[in-house]
Amino acid sequence: LAKTTQPISMDSYEGQEVNITCSHNNIATNDYITWYQQFPSQGPRFIIQGYKTKVTNEVASLFIPADRKSSTLSLPRVSLSDTAVYYCLVEGYSTLTFGKGTMLLVSP
Amino acid sequence: DGGITQSPKYLFRKEGQNVTLSCEQNLNHDAMYWYRQDPGQGLRLIYYSQIVNDFQKGDIAEGYSVSREKKESFPLTVTSAQKNPTAFYLCASSIDYRTGDSYNEQFFGPGTRLTVL
Repeated sequence: LAKTTQPISMDSYEGQEVNITCSHNNIATNDYITWYQQFPSQGPRFIIQGYKTKVTNEVASLFIPADRKSSTLSLPRVSLSDTAVYYCLVEGYSTLTFGKGTMLLVSP
Repeated sequence: DGGITQSPKYLFRKEGQNVTLSCEQNLNHDAMYWYRQDPGQGLRLIYYSQIVNDFQKGDIAEGYSVSREKKESFPLTVTSAQKNPTAFYLCASSIDYRTGDSYNEQFFGPGTRLTVL
């Protein structure tokens, strides 16, 4: 069972790039890594998913090294509205393991 | 207006009572999920269903039960056997559990906050 570990919190300022790393040492060959964003009292929202190397979409990039034991979510030029909890999820055939989340606080 | 709905938003029950949380989706999704969220614990999977009339236990299924008689509905019953039922419950759905070489995006409902007094 893949266990994920993330920093509890991070602070940043508007306009900066933020990188949040998730550790998943026991990831299985067929597992994927997905990141979600959650605002208070709401359901999480999908950000990005990847298996290896680098994936980029209109809001974020996901970097996964060759050993796949960690992944890094990169948010370019954050704004105040990016203040939220970010969850790393490892998905497999019988596994859906969310991390405990990283609370990102973006200040002016 | 497609989406996934959960009702009610807030629910209060006395200890020892069973309670059923509603989850409905009109996205024509095959897969549905129930998660529990406690402060500082992230999301923990209770049950999931890949197709109608089939469901699987997640990591913390004890004290919970589900049914999947219709594609659009996946109700969760919190039984009196659940020792610490007070939590925020989230329902989600996805097109399918897995498509090809990736997993499908999960769409989450707004959640139900259950408080057992």
